[in-house]
Amino acid sequence: GQQLNQSPQSMFIQEGEDVSMNCTSSSIFNTWLWYKQDPGEGPVLLIALYKAGELTSNGRLTAQFGITRKDSFLNISASIPSDVGIYFCAGQHPPSGGGADGLTFGKGTHLIIQP
Amino acid sequence: DVKVTQSSRYLVKRTGEKVFLECVQDMDHENMFWYRQDPGLGLRLIYFSYDVKMKEKGDIPEGYSVSREKKERFSLILESASTNQTSMYLCASSFTGKGSYGYTFGSGTRLTVV
Repeated sequence: GQQLNQSPQSMFIQEGEDVSMNCTSSSIFNTWLWYKQDPGEGPVLLIALYKAGELTSNGRLTAQFGITRKDSFLNISASIPSDVGIYFCAGQHPPSGGGADGLTFGKGTHLIIQP
Repeated sequence: DVKVTQSSRYLVKRTGEKVFLECVQDMDHENMFWYRQDPGLGLRLIYFSYDVKMKEKGDIPEGYSVSREKKERFSLILESASTNQTSMYLCASSFTGKGSYGYTFGSGTRLTVV
């Protein structure tokens, strides 16, 4: 299936800096999700967005569901060493009736924090 | 705490071997998925299942098969392992319908085929 366009592919930042990443799609989604994958582990859900224009925070993380329903943004404020990992966006289409409501994933943003 | 458990964290197998990767979830989820993850390629869907004994091909099913005899268990089978199947394999599950919160992933199995 299609993949989302997630950028940047990687980020090298200093501890304490803010981070922004985004995903865009040619198709509309009714749900946007952001996952984080720690090294050697599976992805874990950070934030879920269900409504166009929605802005949701989880601690230092803030994500927005784009008004066009074709994009989403994730911001991390005041980065710390444990923020290192791969961040994935995922979009979910409206249910088509029957079967799995599959997610489409971006290729991930590698976040590397330099001391 | 809800959980998806993959039986092995690391596996090393020889070329030509038949390999079984097991995944169990305790959330009574209908849907289960197998992905492989490779640097620069993101998560690629191999197979998924939305019910017991049901299976659907994902984007890269070649060289793999799956089995879902019980709702909680979804197995990925490499019929004859090859070196290009060296990868990180991730299992996930979800439920369908209102209030679904995306997928819950297992911790992954890093498979090396030598």
